[in-house]
Amino acid sequence: EAGVTQSPTHLIKTRGQQATLRCSPISGHTSVYWYQQALGLGLQFLLWYDEGEERNRGNFPPRFSGRQFPNYSSELNVNALELEDSALYLCASSLASYTEAFFGQGTRLTVV
Amino acid sequence: AQSVAQPEDQVNVAEGNPLTVKCTYSVSGNPYLFWYVQYPNRGLQFLLKYITGDNLVKGSYGFEAEFNKSQTSFHLKKPSALVSDSALYFCAVRDISRQNTDKLIFGTGTRLQVFP
Repeated sequence: EAGVTQSPTHLIKTRGQQATLRCSPISGHTSVYWYQQALGLGLQFLLWYDEGEERNRGNFPPRFSGRQFPNYSSELNVNALELEDSALYLCASSLASYTEAFFGQGTRLTVV
Repeated sequence: AQSVAQPEDQVNVAEGNPLTVKCTYSVSGNPYLFWYVQYPNRGLQFLLKYITGDNLVKGSYGFEAEFNKSQTSFHLKKPSALVSDSALYFCAVRDISRQNTDKLIFGTGTRLQVFP
């Protein structure tokens, strides 16, 4: 069974541009979570989608947004990129709220 | 508010010795607790979880964790460390007592270094 897949693996953007990151959850999982892992800052919760709806978001500005498609895949969009947005962005999926989440390999976003 | 604390930035242990990576938590309701491991430039791999039941939970790669409600702790343990266990370990908690607040809260991570 395929795990959580994220694309692209690496992404280099210029300050002010927009970045789009994609995530496909494990088959059957309806919840998708996005986390930012910046150097030295641990994992910061970004967004939670379930059944196509945004259920919760972390303390990030509105230029971080996303959506979940009918097939439960998800997209994270970061507008007006800033240098400090450079980080590893991790996507995870889970079957239900009380079960473990499984993570993808991440997208390394570099803003120059 | 729910939170997780991993008091040690790094734990050093010799190969073959037992290891412990500490984690304490704070939630308003019943905690769902998890341990993950991260190897360099990789995503997180699930190790084990505590939802309910036996306080000693066994997981992948010989790891186990002990849930202690009175001390609000969930320490990760392994009887005999391997050099290949060297990685970054994250403890996480989930509190679903409040609707639509479900999310995994992670600790800051503990780097485990196992020396040959």
